[in-house]
Amino acid sequence: AQSVAQPEDQVNVAEGNPLTVKCTYSVSGNPYLFWYVQYPNRGLQFLLKYITGDNLVKGSYGFEAEFNKSQTSFHLKKPSALVSDSALYFCAVRVASGYSTLTFGKGTMLLVSP
Amino acid sequence: SAVISQKPSRDICQRGTSLTIQCQVDSQVTMMFWYRQQPGQSLTLIATANQGSEATYESGFVIDKFPISRPNLTFSTLTVSNMSPEDSSIYLCSVVRDSSYEQYFGPGTRLTVT
Repeated sequence: AQSVAQPEDQVNVAEGNPLTVKCTYSVSGNPYLFWYVQYPNRGLQFLLKYITGDNLVKGSYGFEAEFNKSQTSFHLKKPSALVSDSALYFCAVRVASGYSTLTFGKGTMLLVSP
Repeated sequence: SAVISQKPSRDICQRGTSLTIQCQVDSQVTMMFWYRQQPGQSLTLIATANQGSEATYESGFVIDKFPISRPNLTFSTLTVSNMSPEDSSIYLCSVVRDSSYEQYFGPGTRLTVT
């Protein structure tokens, strides 16, 4: 079975400060990892993915994430937060081989204050 | 990416009735999925919509309650049958187009059952 843990229900950060949204995962085999963002009353938007290769992946809106195999983590980061980054963020995982569906974490609400 | 539309965007329905949600994609996709997002919760996979054959349901979801059709590679429907207030959720269509492994989501259908 595969699972995702997002230990923080909410992350608060001031605009201009760096932000980190944490994610750890569990899969049997190599993982494919994803981050999505959900704005109020909107669907999920794809931010970035890790499939293979460089452990640091860059995505939309200045976000990046670092894959750490030993710690089974895939934390989302941004060097300088914007108020408009305030939204609900979901981490998701699927196993790399065969037929597998995405498993989502419970989500982390990011609140960026002016 | 993929452009996904869903109809209706929202609805308020009475207990015991059924609602059919449509999902249309702008081009052919390999896989289509239906998810449920209950208030304040993460996404839960209902089923994989298979073209020309019966959908593959996840544990806890059955065809009698959530019949799904997928007549071609760009369209699918999800019916929520004999609704109860516990079915009040956002229902999201999702697609995977190709070997990019990126999974995209529609805007969702917000269902309220009274």
